[in-house]
Amino acid sequence: DAGVTQSPTHLIKTRGQQVTLRCSPKSGHDTVSWYQQALGQGPQFIFQYYEEEERQRGNFPDRFSGHQFPNYSSELNVNALLLGDSALYLCASSFGLANSPLHFGNGTRLTVT
Amino acid sequence: DAKTTQPNSMESNEEEPVHLPCNHSTISGTDYIHWYRQLPSQGPEYVIHGLTSNVNNRMASLAIAEDRKSSTLILHRATLRDAAVYYCILGHTSGTYKYIFGTGTRLKVLA
Repeated sequence: DAGVTQSPTHLIKTRGQQVTLRCSPKSGHDTVSWYQQALGQGPQFIFQYYEEEERQRGNFPDRFSGHQFPNYSSELNVNALLLGDSALYLCASSFGLANSPLHFGNGTRLTVT
Repeated sequence: DAKTTQPNSMESNEEEPVHLPCNHSTISGTDYIHWYRQLPSQGPEYVIHGLTSNVNNRMASLAIAEDRKSSTLILHRATLRDAAVYYCILGHTSGTYKYIFGTGTRLKVLA
């Protein structure tokens, strides 16, 4: 049973560019959440998708957007990249809207130069 | 959003029990207490969660204070594979995975 898979594992982009990160949830899960983790810090919540809609959003600018597809997979898009966007981006899947265990992928390491 | 406070780091000897504390004095009646851990180069991994009563699973035990303002994650016999950053998080009972991770407790296990 595959867990949460994220692609790509590593990515290098230039300031001002746009990036798309992808996530396939664990089988049977219908909710996807995205987190940003800077070096040495805990993950920070970006947003949560359920039934193809953004249900909750953290304190991130509109440059961060997402999408959930009918098969529950999800994308995170970041426009106009800044150096400060360099981080590990984690996708987590779960069943339902709250309090079932989150299953995290191993993340995409984004470096902005 | 309710927050938690944890020690930055702790050490334990292999095969000894480990008690990882967490303070959450602003917890509301509908907040669950969750614990996750993050091993090097991996995403966080679910450990355990509870609301009011103590909880046990194959990985750990969760002891919740009667007033719910603090909790303790108990690893009964630490192994080298338990070396990780442990996060204590509060999760509301309805509608969100907007979890607030702090910097967690870095557990070092000594052989």
